[in-house]
Amino acid sequence: GGIITQTPKFLIGQEGQKLTLKCQQNFNHDTMYWYRQDSGKGLRLIYYSITENDLQKGDLSEGYDASREKKSSFSLTVTSAQKNEMAVFLCASSIPDRGYEQYFGPGTRLTVL
Amino acid sequence: QQKVQQSPESLSVPEGGMASLNCTSSDRNFQYFWWYRQHSGEGPKALMSIFSDGDKKEGRFTAHLNKASLHVSLHIRDSQPSDSALYFCAAASSGSWQLIFGSGTQLTVMP
Repeated sequence: GGIITQTPKFLIGQEGQKLTLKCQQNFNHDTMYWYRQDSGKGLRLIYYSITENDLQKGDLSEGYDASREKKSSFSLTVTSAQKNEMAVFLCASSIPDRGYEQYFGPGTRLTVL
Repeated sequence: QQKVQQSPESLSVPEGGMASLNCTSSDRNFQYFWWYRQHSGEGPKALMSIFSDGDKKEGRFTAHLNKASLHVSLHIRDSQPSDSALYFCAAASSGSWQLIFGSGTQLTVMP
């Protein structure tokens, strides 16, 4: 089995601040994803990366940047944190030959003061 | 319009009862369907997949797929308080790198 690690677990920032969230996976999966989840609701795709050095925008990419430094790691940057923003950011990885099953990390909970 | 729609938004069942969750998609290219479960404070975990028409049973959980009507359902018999969670339906088409998630059903099993 493998595991996805997200750091930090909790992130508190100030309005206008640039904030970076990190994700590591040891499944050796090619594809990785970043989602945003508001208040226990649905998942919205921010960015995904099919393979190392690839980046694809999801529906919610505005206000975010991403970086796939190597196969095992995928970072997400909030370019300018919005006041009163509160959400959980979830990282996932997958391989296509299992029906596109995605494996999720535990999430980073963001609060902007 | 969301491509994967779930109902109901929330559901309460007594312990030992049957919970039925529904999902309808609007894209006939979807071939792979998943049910995910998310307990509070955790990331979603895949519960079961269904890729062919008909029923698929795993323990207390049964998924049903009807590709003609683009409908997927999940039935949980003998529901337990530990089944209380947010349940997502998700779908993917061949060659797409994305799983499209529904908005979720919050299930509460009352002891």
